[in-house]
Amino acid sequence: GAGVSQTPSNKVTEKGKYVELRCDPISGHTALYWYRQSLGQGPEFLIYFQGTGAADDSGLPNDRFFAVRPEGSVSTLKIQRTERGDSAVYLCASSLLAGGLNEQFFGPGTRLTVL
Amino acid sequence: AQSVSQHNHHVILSEAASLELGCNYSYGGTVNLFWYVQYPGQHLQLLLKYFSGDPLVKGIKGFEAEFIKSKFSFNLRKPSVQWSDTAEYFCAVNGRSSNTGKLIFGQGTTLQVKP
Repeated sequence: GAGVSQTPSNKVTEKGKYVELRCDPISGHTALYWYRQSLGQGPEFLIYFQGTGAADDSGLPNDRFFAVRPEGSVSTLKIQRTERGDSAVYLCASSLLAGGLNEQFFGPGTRLTVL
Repeated sequence: AQSVSQHNHHVILSEAASLELGCNYSYGGTVNLFWYVQYPGQHLQLLLKYFSGDPLVKGIKGFEAEFIKSKFSFNLRKPSVQWSDTAEYFCAVNGRSSNTGKLIFGQGTTLQVKP
């Protein structure tokens, strides 16, 4: 079946602009995660959704970052007033259920470049 | 603080050589441990995982890892690497009792296998 998909695959924007990154999880997966991977680093947790609600947003770096999942499926990560330091690969993952024992399946990522 | 440390950032081996990648973690409480792999141009995928029981776990493509609780380690091994094992490898941890399952990753090890 289809895996996790993310669009766009690449996004180039200018400092100060607003961007939206989209994630389509595997059908039926209730848990959805966003991670950010900077060059030379491992992925860092940003936010987790269980259904429609953001159950843990402790990884969001500041209030310029926001994410939604209005119908419990597709999620959008929104970044306001982008800064050069936001340049990274943004990864989305989904799992059938929440919790530590459930395998997370990762999408291909969106590479964001802020000029 | 919760963290994962991978000792080797870049490893170069010849085909048929043996591989061991180090991983140490710091985490309060009982953990689940994972190794993810990212082949060139592909997304992160699960290589193997440890939840409980036998501390020696076997994964796909001949990889195995050993959980040593006293050393807070989960090293990845393969007796004989192939050129197709060239990839980036990430060790990750989450809490056994975690409601979210959010993963904490190490910084990754790039493995280059020379034919």
